[in-house]
Amino acid sequence: NAGVMQNPRHLVRRRGQEARLRCSPMKGHSHVYWYRQLPEEGLKFMVYLQKENIIDESGMPKERFSAEFPKEGPSILRIQQVVRGDSAAYFCASSIYSGEETQYFGPGTRLLVL
Amino acid sequence: KQEVTQIPAALSVPEGENLVLNCSFTDSAIYNLQWFRQDPGKGLTSLLLIQSSQREQTSGRLNASLDKSSGRSTLYIAASQPGDSATYLCAVKITGNQFYFGTGTSLTVIP
Repeated sequence: NAGVMQNPRHLVRRRGQEARLRCSPMKGHSHVYWYRQLPEEGLKFMVYLQKENIIDESGMPKERFSAEFPKEGPSILRIQQVVRGDSAAYFCASSIYSGEETQYFGPGTRLLVL
Repeated sequence: KQEVTQIPAALSVPEGENLVLNCSFTDSAIYNLQWFRQDPGKGLTSLLLIQSSQREQTSGRLNASLDKSSGRSTLYIAASQPGDSATYLCAVKITGNQFYFGTGTSLTVIP
């Protein structure tokens, strides 16, 4: 059973470009969570999605960031018009259910904005 | 708002020593607390999950305790090995689906 997969592992973008980060949850998991880890900071929750629904986006910046988890295919975290402050590691996690169970984390995508 | 603090930020010990990592949180109304390990440039590996009704969990050389009333958890590592060198993250889950993470303790075990 493959773990949570994220791609690309490393992404370089110039200011103003778009970044698209993909996350394939573990098989059988229908809950996906995105976290951001800024340099020298802890992981911060961004958004929680179930298939075709955004459940909690309280950690998402109000502008330029969006996330989706379509019925088919991976979850996508999209950052439009990237700025240098978006440089961070973005981690995806998945779980079978919400609530008390653990979340399984992917290896992360490291975004560098030049 | 939940805040999670980990002390110390960095720790260096000789191989074979037992050690304790500390985690404190401000809101005791938690679903669970989880300890993770993060290796440089890699993702997070779950080590131990303690439900809110539990006091401790053990896995091999690792033992994690939880004291909800005081807002504290400890991760005890017995007989440390160089392979234990990593950053250890504490995370708490409160109502909703968010994990709140501490900034981690960077552990170096010297051979």
